[in-house]
Amino acid sequence: AQSVTQPDIHITVSEGASLELRCNYSYGATPYLFWYVQSPGQGLQLLLKYFSGDTLVQGIKGFEAEFKRSQSSFNLRKPSVHWSDAAEYFCAVSRYGGSQGNLIFGKGTKLSVKP
Amino acid sequence: NAGVTQTPKFQVLKTGQSMTLQCAQDMNHNSMYWYRQDPGMGLRLIYYSASEGTTDKGEVPNGYNVSRLNKREFSLRLESAAPSQTSVYFCASTQVNQPQHFGDGTRLSIL
Repeated sequence: AQSVTQPDIHITVSEGASLELRCNYSYGATPYLFWYVQSPGQGLQLLLKYFSGDTLVQGIKGFEAEFKRSQSSFNLRKPSVHWSDAAEYFCAVSRYGGSQGNLIFGKGTKLSVKP
Repeated sequence: NAGVTQTPKFQVLKTGQSMTLQCAQDMNHNSMYWYRQDPGMGLRLIYYSASEGTTDKGEVPNGYNVSRLNKREFSLRLESAAPSQTSVYFCASTQVNQPQHFGDGTRLSIL
């Protein structure tokens, strides 16, 4: 069965430091992959998506992610974290491989930012 | 653009009461979804509607019913609320080759 693993429940980084959030998936074919961000009390906002093509994907707010098929990973990165990036981040894969629907979510990584 | 609108934003129920969570989207999307979010569990799919007139069970459908009223609206009903259904509920919508768009959630407490 498809699954998404985010190994880190909580990460704390200093403002200005680089960030990498890990995501591993289990899926038999080429997956459609997503990263969402959730600020406290808010809904989920799409940061970026991978459907096909270039394996390095650029998103909003200066985030990027790299799809590595050999490692079944889709890690999220940002070169310099801002205090406003403190939030919870969710990796997701489309259950049936299509671009829509039936997303399977990881359990999330909460990011705290130290001044 | 409003996007995906959920009502109410907060609700407190007593065990055994019923209620309907409303969701409407103005993006002309075909597919709509209901998720629940619990601490440490991520989001889990309750029901979805791939297109107007169709609904299907997701990962955790027990205790819930849904209605796709028209293309815009997709409601979630709790017939007899239980404390285990205390959660944050999110509605989402999408179109082919588009990511899902989420509402701001309904925070539901069942006493």
